[in-house]
Formats: sequence, C-alpha cells, structure tokens
Amino acid sequence: AQSVTQPDIHITVSEGASLELRCNYSYGATPYLFWYVQSPGQGLQLLLKYFSGDTLVQGIKGFEAEFKRSQSSFNLRKPSVHWSDAAEYFCAVGEVSMYSGGGADGLTFGKGTHLIIQP
Amino acid sequence: DAGVIQSPRHEVTEMGQEVTLRCKPISGHDYLFWYRQTMMRGLELLIYFNNNVPIDDSGMPEDRFSAKMPNASFSTLKIQPSEPRDSAVYFCASSFGGEGKYEQYFGPGTRLTVT
Repeated sequence: AQSVTQPDIHITVSEGASLELRCNYSYGATPYLFWYVQSPGQGLQLLLKYFSGDTLVQGIKGFEAEFKRSQSSFNLRKPSVHWSDAAEYFCAVGEVSMYSGGGADGLTFGKGTHLIIQP
Repeated sequence: DAGVIQSPRHEVTEMGQEVTLRCKPISGHDYLFWYRQTMMRGLELLIYFNNNVPIDDSGMPEDRFSAKMPNASFSTLKIQPSEPRDSAVYFCASSFGGEGKYEQYFGPGTRLTVT
C-alpha cells in the first residue's frame, strides 16, 4: 500500500526567507505526486504535480518541487515566502487506476505541514 | 468554470439523523471522489466513481455510509444514522481521466457536526 510521510508537523519561517517542506512516499512503481495547499476553512488548491519527465516541476505562487526517486522524496520549495503563504500543505501520491478509464485512483495524503510565517 | 460545488457548506445535526451531502463536479470531468478530513486521521478517501459507476468504496467506514452518482453532474454522500464520530469536513473532488491529466480539483468542503 502506498503511504506518504510529511515529517514536519509545523514549520516557522521568516517572511522573505526560503522554504523547504519535506515529503517522502512509499510506492512500488513511479507514482504520481502532488502538493496541495489548504487555507483555514477552505478546500485544497493544487500547487503542482509530477507525472513523468523533468524531475523539477514548477507550480503556482512561485513554488517548485523536485522528485528524487533514489530518496523517495518530493520536497516543496520556495525561494522567498510571503505572509500569504501561511497555510497547511499536503503532499499526496496517486497511481493510475487498475480498474477503469486510465484515470487516477484516489489520492493518499500525508498528514500535512502547518506553515507559520513570522514577520 | 465554477469549480466543484458542494452543499451545504455547514451541517449541524443530532445523532441518529440522516445527513445528505451534495456535490457537483466540474463539467467534463469523468472521475468523482469523496474524502473525509479529521484531525486524527487526516484526509482519507471514502469512495470514487468513474463515469458515474462506483469503482472503489473500500474507504467507506461502515454501512451507515452510502454514495450515489445518478448522473455526470451530481453525487450524494449519505450517512444514516449519523453519529458524533462522523463529525468531519467532507470534500468532493473531480478529475478528468484523459492521459496525463490526473490532478484532482477539490470543492470547498462540507463541515459536518453531529451532536
């Protein structure tokens, strides 16, 4: 069974500093990997995704992530954080459905990392 | 596009009552997913549909939970009878199963409180 580990429950970063959020997955084949962000009381917004190809992927809001197969990691980075980046960040893994249509099965999520931005 | 629409946004009910949550996926999406988010267990997949057909319901916690998708633009998640431990935020998400398009788009969620 696939699993996702986000080892940091909380991270505090000063505004303008760089950010790296860690994500490790357990999966037999090449997974489909995602980062989502959730603001308080809101749904999940997709930041970026990795399916194949270039292991460094760019997303919205200035975020990027790097897929490292040897480390089973998909860490999220941002060179300079803004106060508006304060939120909950979720890493997720999916796979192509065995059952139907070629689409993806449901996602398996990590427990999330709560990002706090200090002024 | 309006995105995934869920209703109601908040639901407060008493134990033993029936609860029905509703979801309208993004037009053209052929996959629909129901997730539940709690502090203890995080985000969990409950069930998902492809072309209105349930594909995997192994995440549905027990027989009190049921989900239907009568057409491509509407799905319901029903809890009968509800219990306090069902209190959670329930998310609906949809995606398009075409090659290379696996990302799921989430609705705003329904916050359910069972007293």
